[in-house]
Amino acid sequence: GQQLNQSPQSMFIQEGEDVSMNCTSSSIFNTWLWYKQDPGEGPVLLIALYKAGELTSNGRLTAQFGITRKDSFLNISASIPSDVGIYFCAGLGGSQGNLIFGKGTKLSVKP
Amino acid sequence: SAVISQKPSRDICQRGTSLTIQCQVDSQVTMMFWYRQQPGQSLTLIATANQGSEATYESGFVIDKFPISRPNLTFSTLTVSNMSPEDSSIYLCSVEGEGEQFFGPGTRLTVL
Repeated sequence: GQQLNQSPQSMFIQEGEDVSMNCTSSSIFNTWLWYKQDPGEGPVLLIALYKAGELTSNGRLTAQFGITRKDSFLNISASIPSDVGIYFCAGLGGSQGNLIFGKGTKLSVKP
Repeated sequence: SAVISQKPSRDICQRGTSLTIQCQVDSQVTMMFWYRQQPGQSLTLIATANQGSEATYESGFVIDKFPISRPNLTFSTLTVSNMSPEDSSIYLCSVEGEGEQFFGPGTRLTVL
């Protein structure tokens, strides 16, 4: 089936640093979604991308839908301790039809 | 975005028993899904809960093990049957609306 390759698997950064993570796939998706999951909680939708090339911001978060529709990245600027968590990319509308998740990027922020 | 609640939030169960998880949405939605998230892993789709018909299961998941009900457009249940320690996971309800997908807080299940 379809797979999303998400990297890096984990990141340890200093507060104030910028963060970048990305997802790639061999398949095309119609929508890319980025989620954040805190311990003991369900994933919370951060950003949704609908068009190839689209660049969308949500506060300190910026995400882009790749031109080929096979990749996406998420940037977090000026990280703060509450950014800690696991970030998941997800693709919707591929050949399987349902939402496919990456394996997640675990972010740790040192104050 | 839809507000999704799940009950119970967590449970510890004995091997061989069954647990039913409830999902309630604050608005009518067409598409409802159940996911499993094993410890330290990503989310895997178990099934799509269809209102008025049998759920659609993904490869590796069967109705006898994970029976699902969807009596109306705001409510669904997932039962984890004849549990074993391998079923210890977080089970998440999800709904789709306007091209986006939202998740409930999850039910953390531990099977002893």
